[in-house]
Amino acid sequence: GESVGLHLPTLSVQEGDNSIINCAYSNSASDYFIWYKQESGKGPQFIIDIRSNMDKRQGQRVTVLLNKTVKHLSLQIAATQPGDSAVYFCAERFQYDKIIFGKGTRLHILP
Amino acid sequence: DSGVTQTPKHLITATGQRVTLRCSPRSGDLSVYWYQQSLDQGLQFLIQYYNGEERAKGNILERFSAQQFPDLHSELNLSSLELGDSALYFCASSKGQGTGNTIYFGEGSWLTVV
Repeated sequence: GESVGLHLPTLSVQEGDNSIINCAYSNSASDYFIWYKQESGKGPQFIIDIRSNMDKRQGQRVTVLLNKTVKHLSLQIAATQPGDSAVYFCAERFQYDKIIFGKGTRLHILP
Repeated sequence: DSGVTQTPKHLITATGQRVTLRCSPRSGDLSVYWYQQSLDQGLQFLIQYYNGEERAKGNILERFSAQQFPDLHSELNLSSLELGDSALYFCASSKGQGTGNTIYFGEGSWLTVV
């Protein structure tokens, strides 16, 4: 079915290190990509987005990279903190307003 | 707090029954989206409305239906419920449609079918 795939279901990172969460998407017609963070018992929270005419976008402690050649998206979190523990989803928009989510990567912060 | 309000937060019902989940979008948002999240399927897109009209449809079962009312709130109706319908149902909203419209999610409605 329609899906956005993720390379790693669980990622463990030492507190203070940088985290990189990867995502592969399958629809070359997708024109907009979003990263969401979901904490236990809560709804997905918008982190950062990027349009397909860009290859990099930076936010506060986060950077999203887009490689359209290989249909790959990544989320970099600088100086990972305990509060960053969550499941991270990448999502793509195609067919006008259909937003499709990947299965998620759980980020675990090691003390 | 995203500004998207969903009710009820938790719901337990029996197989074969029908339930209605309600969503109030953020003030000023015209688009409403519904998603189903289960452990084995992740976040599945169900349906999207813009200013009262259906605009995009995902893997929504025929037993499920939704609508967006003139005041822009939305309801997701789930009927002939089965055990497999147990999931977290999210509503999300955005100002408009298309690329660049940030989508904000509510806290979800937990549905348990017994």
